[in-house]
This record gives sequence, C-alpha cells and structure tokens, in this order.
Amino acid sequence: GAGVSQSPSNKVTEKGKDVELRCDPISGHTALYWYRQSLGQGLEFLIYFQGNSAPDKSGLPSDRFSAERTGGSVSTLTIQRTQQEDSAVYLCASSLEGTGGAGSPLHFGNGTRLTVT
Amino acid sequence: SQQGEEDPQALSIQEGENATMNCSYKTSINNLQWYRQNSGRGLVHLILIRSNEREKHSGRLRVTLDTSKKSSSLLITASRAADTASYFCATDAVGNEKLTFGTGTRLTIIP
Repeated sequence: GAGVSQSPSNKVTEKGKDVELRCDPISGHTALYWYRQSLGQGLEFLIYFQGNSAPDKSGLPSDRFSAERTGGSVSTLTIQRTQQEDSAVYLCASSLEGTGGAGSPLHFGNGTRLTVT
Repeated sequence: SQQGEEDPQALSIQEGENATMNCSYKTSINNLQWYRQNSGRGLVHLILIRSNEREKHSGRLRVTLDTSKKSSSLLITASRAADTASYFCATDAVGNEKLTFGTGTRLTIIP
C-alpha cells in the first residue's frame, strides 16, 4: 500500500517568505509527527498529533512555526517569514498508534528539503 | 533536548565483520526503537524493544536493552556494503508521549 507522502520534495524560497509543507500519512494511522534534520545532524522533534488529543507543540522552535492536521489525516507545517537557519530537511512520520505502552513503529516520508536563500 | 546519544558517532569496518552501536538515554522509557537512514532522507524502522525485554533478534540484527544502565546496543552481524547508513535510536519516555531520536551513528562498510 501507499506509504507516507510528503510534498514538495524540494523547496527553495527567499528569506522572509512563507512556506507550507504537506504530509499525507498512511491511511488509518492515528499518530503523526514532524521532525527537522539539519545536514549531518540528528532528528529534532517539532510536533506530535495523536488522534483527537491536543497536539504536543513543545518542539516548535518559534512562533513562526505552526502545524495543523485536518480530519485526522493530512497535515500541513507552515513556516512564516522564513530565515536561513530554517534550511533543513523536514520529515513527517505516522504510526498506527501513539506512543506509550507497547509502542508502534514510525513510517517516514522522504522529507522536504527546504532551502532559504 | 536529545534523549538519546549514540556511540560511536562514526564507525568503519570491513565487509563481513560485525558492527556494534550503542545508545544511552536519560529517563525511564516505555520502549526503544532503532532506525536506519540512507542518504539523509526518510528513516526505516528496524526493531522495537519494550522496557520489559532484554534482547531481541531480527535477521542479522540483535538488540539488547539494559534499563538499569539506561542503554541499548544494536549489533549487525556479517555486515554487507548495503548496511552502510546512519543508525538512530529513538525512545518513548514514560510520561512524555513523543518519540525522540538520538544523534546517530554513521556506519560505513568497506567492501
């Protein structure tokens, strides 16, 4: 079946512009994550959606970053007034169940490489 | 902040040798997972070990978990060139429902 789909795969934008990154999770997966990865670095947690619960936004680096998940499916990460330090690969992942207890593996998309010039 | 730290940061071995990577974490966990990443894009799940488990196998992979030392190891036996990738551990901390990743180990298999 289809995996996690992210679009666009690459995005080049000018400093100060807004960008929207899209994630289509695997159908039926209740949990959805956004991570950011700078070149050669680990994954930085951004935000976590689980079912109908309020999202965990504790990883968003500034109020320029926001995300929503409509209808428990597609998610959009929006970065306003982009800065050069926002350049990174933005990864989305979904899992059948949320964290806690037995756990559930994450399925990752191929990411969006964002370059802010 | 990062929950997990992998060690070593980079590892190069000859094809056919075994590769061992370690992960240390800071707080009590529900489970720990290992992932592989090729070429800086999406990660692929390898194995999940729960906090009440001590060892788990999957093909050429062996994962151990020592909750008293807050550490885990990933062993890849009989390495192949295709195993060249970055490997990350991820933890699901008790009371903190998000999966956080370590800094990764870059593994290079020399043919």
